[in-house]
Amino acid sequence: GENVEQHPSTLSVQEGDSAVIKCTYSDSASNYFPWYKQELGKRPQLIIDIRSNVGEKKDQRIAVTLNKTAKHFSLHITETQPEDSAVYFCAAPTGANNLFFGTGTRLTVIP
Amino acid sequence: NAGVTQTPKFRVLKTGQSMTLLCAQDMNHEYMYWYRQDPGMGLRLIHYSVGEGTTAKGEVPDGYNVSRLKKQNFLLGLESAAPSQTSVYFCASSLTGGYYRELFFGEGSRLTVL
Repeated sequence: GENVEQHPSTLSVQEGDSAVIKCTYSDSASNYFPWYKQELGKRPQLIIDIRSNVGEKKDQRIAVTLNKTAKHFSLHITETQPEDSAVYFCAAPTGANNLFFGTGTRLTVIP
Repeated sequence: NAGVTQTPKFRVLKTGQSMTLLCAQDMNHEYMYWYRQDPGMGLRLIHYSVGEGTTAKGEVPDGYNVSRLKKQNFLLGLESAAPSQTSVYFCASSLTGGYYRELFFGEGSRLTVL
């Protein structure tokens, strides 16, 4: 089955700086990698995802990169803002109906 | 659209008591899931359903039962609660299954077992 490791577990950045969160996965057959954002006390929500046929995907200030050879994918947030403060989870498919989630990264953006 | 709603949002149980968490979605989604979230462990799948009348085990199913009698509802039951089941429980739904699907989560239910 799949195993996903996520680093770092906590990350603090100054407002306006960039933040990078990295995940590694074990199953070379995995082909879909979503990122979920969970604000304090709220539900997780999908913010961006990438399929294995592309190496990078951008959506305004967030981007995800995928390196299939090394089996890792990363979330990049540029020009961070206080509202980016949250816990971010990466995930990868395991089996036909499950997503294996990473352990989460708590991002704090310091004004 | 309310999306995915869970009840109750908070509950305190004594060891050995039973309870049921209710999840309801109004998006006509086929797939529904129950996850638990524990500090430092991410979201782990307990049980899921691929349609009305179907259920299947996820990653951590022991101590839980589920039912999907109606398409819009997915119930999670604890027959004899244990302190190890203290957690935040999230219900989720998706329109389809397979890999390329977005999960829509409920707001979570915080359960404490004393």
